[in-house]
Amino acid sequence: GENVEQHPSTLSVQEGDSAVIKCTYSDSASNYFPWYKQELGKGPQLIIDIRSNVGEKKDQRIAVTLNKTAKHFSLHITETQPEDSAVYFCAASIRGGSNYKLTFGKGTLLTVNP
Amino acid sequence: DSGVTQTPKHLITATGQRVTLRCSPRSGDLSVYWYQQSLDQGLQFLIQYYNGEERAKGNILERFSAQQFPDLHSELNLSSLELGDSALYFCASSASGSYYNEQFFGPGTRLTVL
Repeated sequence: GENVEQHPSTLSVQEGDSAVIKCTYSDSASNYFPWYKQELGKGPQLIIDIRSNVGEKKDQRIAVTLNKTAKHFSLHITETQPEDSAVYFCAASIRGGSNYKLTFGKGTLLTVNP
Repeated sequence: DSGVTQTPKHLITATGQRVTLRCSPRSGDLSVYWYQQSLDQGLQFLIQYYNGEERAKGNILERFSAQQFPDLHSELNLSSLELGDSALYFCASSASGSYYNEQFFGPGTRLTVL
C-alpha cells in the first residue's frame, strides 16, 4: 500500500520567517495530495491541496509544490504568524476504480515564536 | 465549526467492552469517513460510506464495524476493546465520494480503554 513520510516532525520558526514541510510518497499511482492543519483539541482542516497534473499551487501565504518524478511534495508557509502554530499533515490519495483512500504522514508540529 | 458533529466527546470504558461512536455529517454531504488517530500510528483511514453503502476500506480491524443510515448519520462500533484501541476517532464528511472532494472533519471522540 501507499506509504507517506513527512519531515520534520517538529519545526520552530520566528514570526515572519518561512516554514517548509516535506513529504514523500511511495505509490506512483497516487494522484491527489491534500494538506491538513490540526489545532489543539480540533479535527484536521484542509488548508490546500494539489492534483498530480499540477506542479505548484498558491493560496495567499501558503503554497504547495509537487515533483511527481521524485515522488515528493512540500508545503511552504511564508510570513508565518503565531496563529499558524499547529500540527500539519500531508496526505496522498490513490484511486482504485470508484474507491480511494487517504494515507497521512505522521505530522509536523509547527511552532511560530512571537 | 466544520458542521460535522460527533458524540460522545469522551468515552471511558474497560477492556472487552463494546462502544458505539456516532457521527452526523454536514448538511447535504453524502460521504462519511472514519479515522483513528493515535500517537504511534498517526492518522489512519478506517472506512468510508457513500449514501448508505460501504465505498472503501482501510486499516479497520475485524472487531470494528460501521454503518451509514438512511438519514446519512453514521455509527462506528468497536467491540472486544483492547488497551491499544485507546485513541481519537474522527469522522469526516464530503459532498460526494470523489477523491478530490474536501473532507470536513468533526471534533473527534476520545476513547480511553482501561
